[in-house]
Amino acid sequence: SQQGEEDPQALSIQEGENATMNCSYKTSINNLQWYRQNSGRGLVHLILIRSNEREKHSGRLRVTLDTSKKSSSLLITASRAADTASYFCALPPGGSNYKLTFGKGTLLTVNP
Amino acid sequence: GAVVSQHPSWVICKSGTSVKIECRSLDFQATTMFWYRQFPKKSLMLMATSNEGSKATYEQGVEKDKFLINHASLTLSTLTVTSAHPEDSSFYICSASPTGFHQPQHFGDGTRLSIL
Repeated sequence: SQQGEEDPQALSIQEGENATMNCSYKTSINNLQWYRQNSGRGLVHLILIRSNEREKHSGRLRVTLDTSKKSSSLLITASRAADTASYFCALPPGGSNYKLTFGKGTLLTVNP
Repeated sequence: GAVVSQHPSWVICKSGTSVKIECRSLDFQATTMFWYRQFPKKSLMLMATSNEGSKATYEQGVEKDKFLINHASLTLSTLTVTSAHPEDSSFYICSASPTGFHQPQHFGDGTRLSIL
């Protein structure tokens, strides 16, 4: 299964600012998923966007998907210190929702 | 929402000991569960796919005799690290998903394994 590549690898912002992280991939997808991992914890699912969707919102999170550019972005608005975590995109193999592989992620630090 | 419970959250044991980690789907059935390993400041590495009622599928380079996986029911998979050594020290995480297309994975909280 393919792996997404997140960019940047690290991002440090002040509380209240917006944070944008990107994910690029190489082959066709059925959906793309974003996850958050707090230090020393498991991953938490944030948003799943299907290949026929262009944008999806959940609270302060906005995910966009551009299949022509094979890229996705995750925007966190009005960030909080509690948003400090690593963020990963994951792409299941075509035709299946299983066997996710993860890139190195983006480490977001929100300074109070 | 779907919940996955992983136990124990933290284990310290002597070299040569075997350690069992449990992964349970609490409110859904999972014919497939996944086991990952994570090194400090690194991404998750998929170790194996646990299949209910059949043998697990291991990723390349993962020793199946070292990491025994049993998926005896639709809600429980176990990972046993046999004869553990310090190099097996790591963070192990399981995940599972309800059946169906476009379903996200739900992760346990991970197990921190330290072998002395």
